[in-house]
Amino acid sequence: DIQMTQSPSSLSASVGDRLTITCRASQSISTYLNWYQQKPGKAPKLLIYAASSLEGGVPSRFSGSGSGTDFTLTISSLQPEDFATYYCQQSLRTPITFGQGTRLEIK
Amino acid sequence: EVQLLESGGGWVQPGGSLRLSCAASGFTFSSYAMSWVRQSPGKGLEWVSAISGSGGATYYADSVKGRFTISRDNSKNTLYLQMNSLRAEDTAVYYCTKPRPYGTGWYGCDHYWGQGTLVTVSS
Repeated sequence: DIQMTQSPSSLSASVGDRLTITCRASQSISTYLNWYQQKPGKAPKLLIYAASSLEGGVPSRFSGSGSGTDFTLTISSLQPEDFATYYCQQSLRTPITFGQGTRLEIK
Repeated sequence: EVQLLESGGGWVQPGGSLRLSCAASGFTFSSYAMSWVRQSPGKGLEWVSAISGSGGATYYADSVKGRFTISRDNSKNTLYLQMNSLRAEDTAVYYCTKPRPYGTGWYGCDHYWGQGTLVTVSS
Protein backbone atom coordinates (compact mmCIF):
# COMPACT_ATOMS: atom_id res chain seq x y z
CA ASP A 1 0.00 0.00 0.00
CA ILE A 2 1.08 3.58 -0.60
CA GLN A 3 1.55 5.44 2.68
CA MET A 4 0.82 9.17 2.82
CA THR A 5 2.51 11.28 5.49
CA GLN A 6 1.45 14.85 6.18
CA SER A 7 3.33 17.45 8.14
CA PRO A 8 2.74 19.12 10.41
CA SER A 9 -0.09 17.25 12.16
CA SER A 10 -1.32 20.54 13.58
CA LEU A 11 -0.39 24.17 13.50
CA SER A 12 -1.56 27.52 14.77
CA ALA A 13 -1.63 30.53 12.50
CA SER A 14 -3.14 33.98 12.23
CA VAL A 15 -5.46 35.57 9.71
CA GLY A 16 -3.34 36.86 6.85
CA ASP A 17 -0.52 34.35 7.33
CA ARG A 18 0.91 32.35 4.46
CA LEU A 19 1.28 28.68 5.24
CA THR A 20 2.33 25.45 3.62
CA ILE A 21 1.31 21.88 4.42
CA THR A 22 3.46 19.04 3.14
CA CYS A 23 2.43 15.56 2.01
CA ARG A 24 4.89 12.80 1.20
CA ALA A 25 4.08 9.52 -0.54
CA SER A 26 5.95 6.30 0.23
CA GLN A 27 6.45 5.77 -3.52
CA SER A 28 6.03 7.83 -6.64
CA ILE A 29 2.43 8.69 -7.41
CA SER A 30 3.09 11.05 -10.35
CA THR A 31 0.47 13.77 -9.82
CA TYR A 32 -2.35 11.57 -8.54
CA LEU A 33 -2.63 13.67 -5.42
CA ASN A 34 -5.69 15.48 -4.08
CA TRP A 35 -6.28 17.87 -1.19
CA TYR A 36 -9.46 18.15 0.89
CA GLN A 37 -10.68 20.56 3.56
CA GLN A 38 -12.93 19.34 6.36
CA LYS A 39 -14.76 21.42 8.95
CA PRO A 40 -16.22 19.91 12.13
CA GLY A 41 -19.37 17.90 11.53
CA LYS A 42 -19.17 18.31 7.76
CA ALA A 43 -18.14 16.13 4.85
CA PRO A 44 -14.74 16.84 3.30
CA LYS A 45 -14.59 19.28 0.40
CA LEU A 46 -12.31 18.89 -2.60
CA LEU A 47 -9.84 21.77 -2.95
CA ILE A 48 -7.08 20.62 -5.31
CA TYR A 49 -6.92 17.64 -7.66
CA ALA A 50 -4.11 16.27 -9.80
CA ALA A 51 -1.62 17.92 -7.43
CA SER A 52 -2.10 21.46 -8.73
CA SER A 53 -5.52 21.91 -10.33
CA LEU A 54 -7.85 24.17 -8.38
CA GLU A 55 -11.37 22.83 -8.03
CA GLY A 56 -14.07 25.15 -9.33
CA GLY A 57 -15.34 27.61 -6.76
CA VAL A 58 -12.29 27.27 -4.52
CA PRO A 59 -10.60 30.60 -3.75
CA SER A 60 -7.37 31.29 -5.60
CA ARG A 61 -5.46 31.72 -2.32
CA PHE A 62 -5.27 27.91 -2.29
CA SER A 63 -2.63 26.31 -4.48
CA GLY A 64 -0.97 22.93 -4.79
CA SER A 65 2.30 21.76 -6.22
CA GLY A 66 4.55 18.74 -6.48
CA SER A 67 4.95 15.46 -8.30
CA GLY A 68 6.44 12.08 -7.58
CA THR A 69 6.59 11.77 -3.80
CA ASP A 70 6.57 15.32 -2.42
CA PHE A 71 3.62 17.67 -2.50
CA THR A 72 2.54 20.92 -0.89
CA LEU A 73 -0.68 22.77 -0.24
CA THR A 74 -0.22 26.52 0.21
CA ILE A 75 -2.70 29.06 1.50
CA SER A 76 -1.40 32.48 0.52
CA SER A 77 -3.33 34.61 3.02
CA LEU A 78 -5.33 32.80 5.67
CA GLN A 79 -8.96 33.78 6.09
CA PRO A 80 -11.16 33.00 9.12
CA GLU A 81 -13.07 30.36 7.16
CA ASP A 82 -9.86 28.45 6.36
CA PHE A 83 -9.41 27.13 9.88
CA ALA A 84 -10.17 23.45 9.39
CA THR A 85 -8.47 20.09 8.90
CA TYR A 86 -6.72 19.34 5.61
CA TYR A 87 -6.10 15.91 4.11
CA CYS A 88 -4.04 14.74 1.16
CA GLN A 89 -5.06 11.62 -0.79
CA GLN A 90 -3.34 9.49 -3.38
CA SER A 91 -5.41 7.91 -6.13
CA LEU A 92 -2.72 6.26 -8.27
CA ARG A 93 -3.74 2.79 -7.12
CA THR A 94 -6.00 1.03 -4.69
CA PRO A 95 -6.20 1.00 -1.81
CA ILE A 96 -6.73 4.73 -2.08
CA THR A 97 -4.98 6.27 0.93
CA PHE A 98 -5.21 9.52 2.85
CA GLY A 99 -2.69 11.39 4.92
CA GLN A 100 -3.42 11.57 8.64
CA GLY A 101 -4.59 15.17 8.39
CA THR A 102 -3.32 18.61 9.37
CA ARG A 103 -5.40 20.54 11.86
CA LEU A 104 -5.17 24.28 11.36
CA GLU A 105 -6.08 26.37 14.39
CA ILE A 106 -6.35 30.07 15.04
CA LYS A 107 -3.40 31.54 16.97
CA GLU B 1 -27.40 19.04 -8.88
CA VAL B 2 -25.61 15.96 -7.64
CA GLN B 3 -27.02 14.55 -4.41
CA LEU B 4 -25.85 11.57 -2.41
CA LEU B 5 -28.01 10.49 0.50
CA GLU B 6 -26.76 7.77 2.81
CA SER B 7 -28.98 5.72 5.09
CA GLY B 8 -28.89 2.51 7.11
CA GLY B 9 -26.50 3.50 9.87
CA GLY B 10 -27.18 2.74 13.51
CA TRP B 11 -26.08 0.71 16.47
CA VAL B 12 -25.06 -2.93 16.14
CA GLN B 13 -23.33 -5.41 18.42
CA PRO B 14 -19.89 -6.79 17.59
CA GLY B 15 -20.20 -9.64 15.11
CA GLY B 16 -23.42 -8.22 13.71
CA SER B 17 -24.32 -7.00 10.24
CA LEU B 18 -25.62 -3.80 8.72
CA ARG B 19 -26.35 -2.64 5.17
CA LEU B 20 -25.76 0.95 4.16
CA SER B 21 -27.46 2.54 1.17
CA CYS B 22 -26.63 5.64 -0.84
CA ALA B 23 -29.33 7.10 -3.06
CA ALA B 24 -27.79 9.10 -5.90
CA SER B 25 -29.36 11.73 -8.13
CA GLY B 26 -28.37 14.50 -10.52
CA PHE B 27 -26.08 12.45 -12.77
CA THR B 28 -26.07 9.30 -14.90
CA PHE B 29 -25.41 6.87 -12.07
CA SER B 30 -24.36 3.87 -14.16
CA SER B 31 -21.62 5.87 -15.87
CA TYR B 32 -19.59 6.49 -12.74
CA ALA B 33 -17.62 4.54 -10.21
CA MET B 34 -18.77 5.05 -6.64
CA SER B 35 -16.98 4.74 -3.33
CA TRP B 36 -17.31 4.55 0.46
CA VAL B 37 -15.01 6.48 2.78
CA ARG B 38 -15.25 6.34 6.58
CA GLN B 39 -14.12 8.43 9.52
CA SER B 40 -13.90 7.09 13.06
CA PRO B 41 -14.81 9.59 15.79
CA GLY B 42 -12.06 12.18 16.12
CA LYS B 43 -9.89 10.40 13.56
CA GLY B 44 -8.86 10.82 9.95
CA LEU B 45 -10.37 9.66 6.69
CA GLU B 46 -10.13 6.03 5.57
CA TRP B 47 -11.09 4.83 2.12
CA VAL B 48 -13.17 1.65 2.42
CA SER B 49 -14.28 0.41 -0.98
CA ALA B 50 -15.09 1.35 -4.56
CA ILE B 51 -17.06 -0.14 -7.44
CA SER B 52 -17.02 0.47 -11.17
CA GLY B 53 -20.00 1.94 -12.99
CA SER B 54 -21.14 -1.44 -14.28
CA GLY B 55 -20.52 -3.12 -10.94
CA GLY B 56 -18.13 -5.56 -12.56
CA ALA B 57 -15.07 -4.41 -10.64
CA THR B 58 -14.82 -3.93 -6.89
CA TYR B 59 -12.00 -2.80 -4.64
CA TYR B 60 -11.54 -2.97 -0.87
CA ALA B 61 -9.28 -1.75 1.89
CA ASP B 62 -7.43 -4.59 3.61
CA SER B 63 -9.18 -3.71 6.88
CA VAL B 64 -12.61 -4.70 5.48
CA LYS B 65 -11.76 -7.27 2.82
CA GLY B 66 -13.74 -10.45 3.31
CA ARG B 67 -16.22 -8.76 5.69
CA PHE B 68 -17.71 -5.93 3.61
CA THR B 69 -19.31 -6.15 0.16
CA ILE B 70 -19.92 -3.17 -2.08
CA SER B 71 -22.65 -3.39 -4.72
CA ARG B 72 -24.93 -1.20 -6.75
CA ASP B 73 -28.34 -1.28 -8.39
CA ASN B 74 -28.14 0.95 -11.44
CA SER B 75 -31.88 0.66 -12.04
CA LYS B 76 -32.45 2.25 -8.64
CA ASN B 77 -29.49 4.66 -8.70
CA THR B 78 -28.40 3.21 -5.38
CA LEU B 79 -25.06 2.14 -3.92
CA TYR B 80 -24.81 -0.36 -1.07
CA LEU B 81 -22.30 -1.50 1.51
CA GLN B 82 -23.06 -4.80 3.21
CA MET B 83 -21.07 -4.96 6.43
CA ASN B 84 -20.71 -8.31 8.19
CA SER B 85 -18.70 -9.47 11.21
CA LEU B 86 -18.61 -5.92 12.49
CA ARG B 87 -15.96 -4.88 15.00
CA ALA B 88 -15.67 -1.99 17.40
CA GLU B 89 -13.04 -0.45 15.11
CA ASP B 90 -15.64 -0.23 12.33
CA THR B 91 -17.43 2.48 14.32
CA ALA B 92 -17.38 5.52 12.07
CA VAL B 93 -19.29 7.94 9.92
CA TYR B 94 -19.57 6.34 6.50
CA TYR B 95 -19.58 8.66 3.51
CA CYS B 96 -20.73 7.78 0.02
CA THR B 97 -18.63 9.52 -2.63
CA LYS B 98 -18.69 10.01 -6.39
CA PRO B 99 -15.15 9.92 -7.74
CA ARG B 100 -14.22 12.01 -10.76
CA PRO B 101 -11.46 10.50 -12.90
CA TYR B 102 -8.62 12.53 -14.36
CA GLY B 103 -5.56 11.74 -16.42
CA THR B 104 -5.35 8.03 -17.13
CA GLY B 105 -6.53 7.11 -13.63
CA TRP B 106 -9.93 5.51 -13.17
CA TYR B 107 -10.54 6.96 -9.70
CA GLY B 108 -9.24 10.52 -9.73
CA CYS B 109 -10.66 12.42 -6.80
CA ASP B 110 -13.70 12.25 -4.51
CA HIS B 111 -15.64 15.01 -6.16
CA TYR B 112 -18.98 14.72 -4.38
CA TRP B 113 -19.68 13.51 -0.85
CA GLY B 114 -22.87 12.61 0.97
CA GLN B 115 -23.59 13.88 4.46
CA GLY B 116 -22.57 10.58 6.05
CA THR B 117 -24.28 7.97 8.20
CA LEU B 118 -23.01 6.90 11.62
CA VAL B 119 -22.37 3.26 12.38
CA THR B 120 -21.73 2.37 16.03
CA VAL B 121 -20.47 -1.10 16.90
CA SER B 122 -20.68 -1.71 20.61
CA SER B 123 -21.94 -4.21 23.14
